[in-house]
Amino acid sequence: AQSVTQLDSQVPVFEEAPVELRCNYSSSVSVYLFWYVQYPNQGLQLLLKYLSGSTLVKGINGFEAEFNKSQTSFHLRKPSVHISDTAEYFCAVTTFGNEKLTFGTGTRLTIIP
Amino acid sequence: SQTIHQWPATLVQPVGSPLSLECTVEGTSNPNLYWYRQAAGRGLQLLFYSVGIGQISSEVPQNLSASRPQDRQFILSSKKLLLSDSGFYLCAWTKTGLITDTQYFGPGTRLTVL
Repeated sequence: AQSVTQLDSQVPVFEEAPVELRCNYSSSVSVYLFWYVQYPNQGLQLLLKYLSGSTLVKGINGFEAEFNKSQTSFHLRKPSVHISDTAEYFCAVTTFGNEKLTFGTGTRLTIIP
Repeated sequence: SQTIHQWPATLVQPVGSPLSLECTVEGTSNPNLYWYRQAAGRGLQLLFYSVGIGQISSEVPQNLSASRPQDRQFILSSKKLLLSDSGFYLCAWTKTGLITDTQYFGPGTRLTVL
């Protein structure tokens, strides 16, 4: 079975500063990794995903993530955040043949003006 | 284009009352369907998923149940609500057999059990 850990439940960042949201996974087989974002009182939407190939994945809204197999990590980064990035971010993992995603507990990103 | 609907948007129910939340998907056929719950500070928990009509997989033991009476309809039910059932309920869909495809989430139902 796979699992995913988001160690930071809350991350405050000043506007225009860079941010990194951490995600670590555990699995005995190859994984597919996702980052979803949830704005207040809304459903989740996909930011980016890693399936195979290049370990650096670019997503929407200027976010990117890097798959690191040796560190079993898939950290999300943005070089300069905006107020509109205030949201909760979820990392998720699945494996080939699986019918479901396993989500982390989420990281709440708060942008300080 | 595909759309996903959930209703009601907000619900306040007394303990012990029944529950029925509905989710429908438009613009696709034979989707995989999912029910998640977000409780305060506890992340996103998968409750049920379905790969076809009448096929329901339960992820956690609880007093909730799910049904899929039609291809694009997914219902979450309870006969008697508990206080611990309060939370934000999200329905999602993805293409059958393509878990690597995007999961599309509905707008959610906020349930408060008093």
